[in-house]
Amino acid sequence: EDKVVQSPLSLVVHEGDTVTLNCSYEVTNFRSLLWYKQEKKAPTFLFMLTSSGIEKKSGRLSSILDKKELFSILNITATQTGDSAIYLCAVELRGDDKIIFGKGTRLHILP
Amino acid sequence: DSGVTQTPKHLITATGQRVTLRCSPRSGDLSVYWYQQSLDQGLQFLIQYYNGEERAKGNILERFSAQQFPDLHSELNLSSLELGDSALYFCASSVVPGWANEGYTFGSGTRLTVV
Repeated sequence: EDKVVQSPLSLVVHEGDTVTLNCSYEVTNFRSLLWYKQEKKAPTFLFMLTSSGIEKKSGRLSSILDKKELFSILNITATQTGDSAIYLCAVELRGDDKIIFGKGTRLHILP
Repeated sequence: DSGVTQTPKHLITATGQRVTLRCSPRSGDLSVYWYQQSLDQGLQFLIQYYNGEERAKGNILERFSAQQFPDLHSELNLSSLELGDSALYFCASSVVPGWANEGYTFGSGTRLTVV
């Protein structure tokens, strides 16, 4: 069965800390891995990763994919209270076009 | 505003009833995806349509059905509702299946409460 597992499920840190969120996957036909940030309602897109070892960066957020070990990490440096959200990892499958989400990591940044 | 419009935003209904959730994809997007999000299960893929045709099916119950119309809007029909169907239902769209370069764009969701 295809699955995406995120860890930790929740995390509380202080403003200014650096956090690393993990996503591992076991799927039959990998196409891409996606990271989303969900605050109050709709998930908003952060990154799409298709190739191993190539870091994607956007401001204080960065992500990298390891297709051999089947995982990805999302790093957030110098965290701010506005980074508090649920971070979702998803894997898009080739062929049947399904997208499978992990349960998310709930990140809370203390001021 | 993401460009994906979902209505209604909130819906409260009784067990056994039938409801219809509506989604208008972002302009230019041909593919629509439906997801159910509950606290314990996370985001569960239900079904995908591309240009009016069903493309992929996930964990969608037989009591649920969906369609995509010629104008590309989509409706998700939930019938014989049970308490456990209470959840946030999201619609997402993309240009074509597999075109995730900008990520799939999500609507704000419909919060369904079954009482």
